[in-house]
Amino acid sequence: EAGVTQSPTHLIKTRGQQATLRCSPISGHTSVYWYQQALGLGLQFLLWYDEGEERNRGNFPPRFSGRQFPNYSSELNVNALELEDSALYLCASSLGTGGAYEKLFFGSGTQLSVL
Amino acid sequence: AQSVTQPDIHITVSEGASLELRCNYSYGATPYLFWYVQSPGQGLQLLLKYFSGDTLVQGIKGFEAEFKRSQSSFNLRKPSVHWSDAAEYFCAVGMYSGGGADGLTFGKGTHLIIQP
Repeated sequence: EAGVTQSPTHLIKTRGQQATLRCSPISGHTSVYWYQQALGLGLQFLLWYDEGEERNRGNFPPRFSGRQFPNYSSELNVNALELEDSALYLCASSLGTGGAYEKLFFGSGTQLSVL
Repeated sequence: AQSVTQPDIHITVSEGASLELRCNYSYGATPYLFWYVQSPGQGLQLLLKYFSGDTLVQGIKGFEAEFKRSQSSFNLRKPSVHWSDAAEYFCAVGMYSGGGADGLTFGKGTHLIIQP
């Protein structure tokens, strides 16, 4: 069974550009989470999608946005890139809102570098 | 607000020696506690979790963790480490929100180095 897949593996952009990151969850999973892992800061929660809807977002500016498609895959868009957006972006999926914490399955991440 | 502290940024252990990684949390109620491991170039993998019940929980790869409410701690242990255990370890705490894992707060991680 395929795990959570993310593309691209690496992405290099310049300040002011837009970045699009993609995530395919494990088959059967309806929830997708995005986390930012910046050097020395641990994992910061970005966004949570379930059944095509945005359920919650972390403390990030509106230029971080995304969507979830009918097949439950997801896109994270970062507009007007800033140098401090350089980080590893991790996607995770789970079975959905089961009313209790579920096991998250993480992808290997997209390393975004903003020059 | 909930928070997680992993006091040790780096830990070096000899292969075959025992390991303990510290995690302290701040939360007003009984938390949901997790340990994840991140190997180089990989995503995070769940090692173990604590929701309720027995305060000593067993995980994968020979790891265990003990929840101590009085100390607000959830330390991860392994009796004998292997070179393949070298990785970044993250403790996380969550609150029950009736939803998904949006409430997970991660610590900043402990980098484990294994000496031959």
